[in-house]
Amino acid sequence: NAGVTQTPKFQVLKTGQSMTLQCAQDMNHEYMSWYRQDPGMGLRLIHYSVGAGITDQGEVPNGYNVSRSTTEDFPLRLLSAAPSQTSVYFCASSERGTGWSEQYFGPGTRLTVT
Amino acid sequence: LAKTTQPISMDSYEGQEVNITCSHNNIATNDYITWYQQFPSQGPRFIIQGYKTKVTNEVASLFIPADRKSSTLSLPRVSLSDTAVYYCLVGDPYNNQGGKLIFGQGTELSVKP
Repeated sequence: NAGVTQTPKFQVLKTGQSMTLQCAQDMNHEYMSWYRQDPGMGLRLIHYSVGAGITDQGEVPNGYNVSRSTTEDFPLRLLSAAPSQTSVYFCASSERGTGWSEQYFGPGTRLTVT
Repeated sequence: LAKTTQPISMDSYEGQEVNITCSHNNIATNDYITWYQQFPSQGPRFIIQGYKTKVTNEVASLFIPADRKSSTLSLPRVSLSDTAVYYCLVGDPYNNQGGKLIFGQGTELSVKP
């Protein structure tokens, strides 16, 4: 299993541009989530999904959209990038049986908005 | 949501046992205590989870007193590779609201030779 994969690894955007961060998992996990981590800080939940077709907002959802059309994929869209969205973005997944506790994280996408 | 408090940083030497304590005074009945480890430039990795008393796995032990208002992660005989940030999380892992797990700032453990 590849686990949780994220692309791209690095991205530089100009203010106002939009883009999609990709996340995929091959473990057939129902639960998926997106976090952002700012320098020296813990992770903050952006959006999450409990299954295909179901998404909801986390702690810091503004400026981001998600969709979950398949179990495997959970892309995160930045609608109009702002410097405040410069961060490292992590995608995670877990199975329903263990709930949200035992999440498997991807390697992260380092995003810089200038 | 249960707020957690843990030390910002700790230092240790190779071969020592390290205990990191987390306070969570307003833990709810359905909440579990979960610890994650994060190395630089990597995503967090699940270490251990518990509800009460003691839980042990091949990596660590987790001690939870009867009142559940705190917990202690114990790492036996640490090595340089245990240098990382350790997060204590408290939440209900089985609700459908993303667990609302709050990572906080974590404890930065530095292991020296």
